[in-house]
Amino acid sequence: GENVEQHPSTLSVQEGDSAVIKCTYSDSASNYFPWYKQELGKRPQLIIDIRSNVGEKKDQRIAVTLNKTAKHFSLHITETQPEDSAVYFCAATEALHFGNEKLTFGTGTRLTIIP
Amino acid sequence: EAGVAQSPRYKIIEKRQSVAFWCNPISGHATLYWYQQILGQGPKLLIQFQNNGVVDDSQLPKDRFSAERLKGVDSTLKIQPAKLEDSAVYLCASSLAGARYEQYFGPGTRLTVT
Repeated sequence: GENVEQHPSTLSVQEGDSAVIKCTYSDSASNYFPWYKQELGKRPQLIIDIRSNVGEKKDQRIAVTLNKTAKHFSLHITETQPEDSAVYFCAATEALHFGNEKLTFGTGTRLTIIP
Repeated sequence: EAGVAQSPRYKIIEKRQSVAFWCNPISGHATLYWYQQILGQGPKLLIQFQNNGVVDDSQLPKDRFSAERLKGVDSTLKIQPAKLEDSAVYLCASSLAGARYEQYFGPGTRLTVT
């Protein structure tokens, strides 16, 4: 099955600086890579995703890059703000029978923005 | 639109007791997921339904966990008997039509087994 590794497990950055979180995956057939943000005590929410036919996607201060050859993808947050403090999870799809797929999540990165 | 609903929000039971969780997904969402999230870890998929059929339950401890999705809408997850290591947050999520669509998570049920 799919194995998704995520690092670092914790990351502290000064407000206004950039943060980068990296993930690797094992299944070369994976083709969808979402990122979820989970604030303390709240449910995970999708913040950005990328499909295998593109190498980069941006949405305001966040961007995701994908390198299918190396089987890794990264989340980039620029101009960080206090509200970016949360746990971030990457995920990758794994093919199942009859065209179905499931997500495998990484172990999470706790991002702390220092004012 | 209404979000994913779960109940109860919190549950404390003793080991070897049984417990059941309920989930009501977003209307029209064909895919429903149950995840187990242990403190400090990522969500681990227990079971995934497409309408009322099981798509994947490879990580569901079937000797103690069971789940069903009634008429392709609501779902229940049961643990019987519970073990200490079952202490976790149980998250239900739904998506429109499979894992490549955004998954909307419910608030979760925090289970403590003593």
